[in-house]
Amino acid sequence: GAGVSQSPSNKVTEKGKDVELRCDPISGHTALYWYRQRLGQGLEFLIYFQGNSAPDKSGLPSDRFSAERTGESVSTLTIQRTQQEDSAVYLCASRKAGTTHEQYFGPGTRLTVT
Amino acid sequence: AQSVTQPDIHITVSEGASLELRCNYSYGATPYLFWYVQSPGQGLQLLLKYFSGDTLVQGIKGFEAEFKRSQSSFNLRKPSVHWSDAAEYFCAVGAGGNTGKLIFGQGTTLQVKP
Repeated sequence: GAGVSQSPSNKVTEKGKDVELRCDPISGHTALYWYRQRLGQGLEFLIYFQGNSAPDKSGLPSDRFSAERTGESVSTLTIQRTQQEDSAVYLCASRKAGTTHEQYFGPGTRLTVT
Repeated sequence: AQSVTQPDIHITVSEGASLELRCNYSYGATPYLFWYVQSPGQGLQLLLKYFSGDTLVQGIKGFEAEFKRSQSSFNLRKPSVHWSDAAEYFCAVGAGGNTGKLIFGQGTTLQVKP
């Protein structure tokens, strides 16, 4: 089957605008993660969804960041009033139920805030 | 708190030479450890993982890694590097708990000389 997909692949936006990033996980994967990768750095955990449980939002850097996921399907990450420091690659990953930590990553969305 | 350190930001090796990428972690219990590879413009691909048992684990593309508890290390090795191995390599540790989220090192960029 298909892997994790993300859209758009690239997004350029002006400072202060809102952006929405989309992630389609692998079908049947119950867990979904968002990470941020700044230039030259490792991945930072942002948020985690597991089925219908309350998400783990502990990695969201500010209240400008939010994410939603309906059931076990698509997730959207929204960044309001974007700032230049939000420029990064945003990666989504999904994990199958019953596995431990084995995440499958999408290609990412490169966000540039001008 | 858990953390991962990859001491080498950039490594250059000649094609055909052996490779070792270093990874040190900080974690209170037996860790779940991972190595991922990220090629330009692509998402992360899992190379190998350690959960328990044999401390020498084999992965894809001819890579292996050895878990050394006494040194808190999980170094990645390959006996003979190919030009196609040029990429960025990330070591990660499972953060514990039920979320399965990963904590990543800052990455090591591998350059392969012809």
